[in-house]
Amino acid sequence: DTGVSQDPRHKITKRGQNVTFRCDPISEHNRLYWYRQTLGQGPEFLTYFQNEAQLEKSRLLSDRFSAERPKGSFSTLEIQRTEQGDSAMYLCASSFKGDLNYGYTFGSGTRLTVV
Amino acid sequence: AQSVTQLDSQVPVFEEAPVELRCNYSSSVSVYLFWYVQYPNQGLQLLLKYLSGSTLVKGINGFEAEFNKSQTSFHLRKPSVHISDTAEYFCAVSPEGYKLSFGAGTTVTVRA
Repeated sequence: DTGVSQDPRHKITKRGQNVTFRCDPISEHNRLYWYRQTLGQGPEFLTYFQNEAQLEKSRLLSDRFSAERPKGSFSTLEIQRTEQGDSAMYLCASSFKGDLNYGYTFGSGTRLTVV
Repeated sequence: AQSVTQLDSQVPVFEEAPVELRCNYSSSVSVYLFWYVQYPNQGLQLLLKYLSGSTLVKGINGFEAEFNKSQTSFHLRKPSVHISDTAEYFCAVSPEGYKLSFGAGTTVTVRA
């Protein structure tokens, strides 16, 4: 297992277009998290799944954002009608159970640039 | 609600010198505390964590941090830095035990 994988690593899109990112967690991890990191800031929590259930969504996750985790494996994050303010690094992380004592592994992120 | 303040946005330091990165948090409940490192164009890597027990926590790559409940601080230290320690460092808290709230980060630049 090579850790948490995110695809693509970079995405440039025009304002108004839809984009979709993928995250493949560590196979035995049942929790998956999405964070957003803007330039010069720390990551901010967006949402998380336990298996296939989306258990919490941040107020940062507007109705243009949707995340799924079918079958409790990989997850996708879609942004519809992208805006320049969506430009950021989108980080995925996974963990075994919800207890941070078990560790929390981040992927390398997808950097989105909206032009 | 909880917040994390990293008191220094940039810390330049010479190779083999010590470094301290300051982190203060505000929380009305007990928290878990973390330090992460982010190298350019990479994700975050856990340096160390405080969950309970000894207030002095040792992590990877020679880093350590001290939890001070009365001062609500969790400062990160390394006695002798290397060029390879050049990175951005994030302090984070987790009152709930599953999601993290991060500070704005401290950029450490190690010079020869």
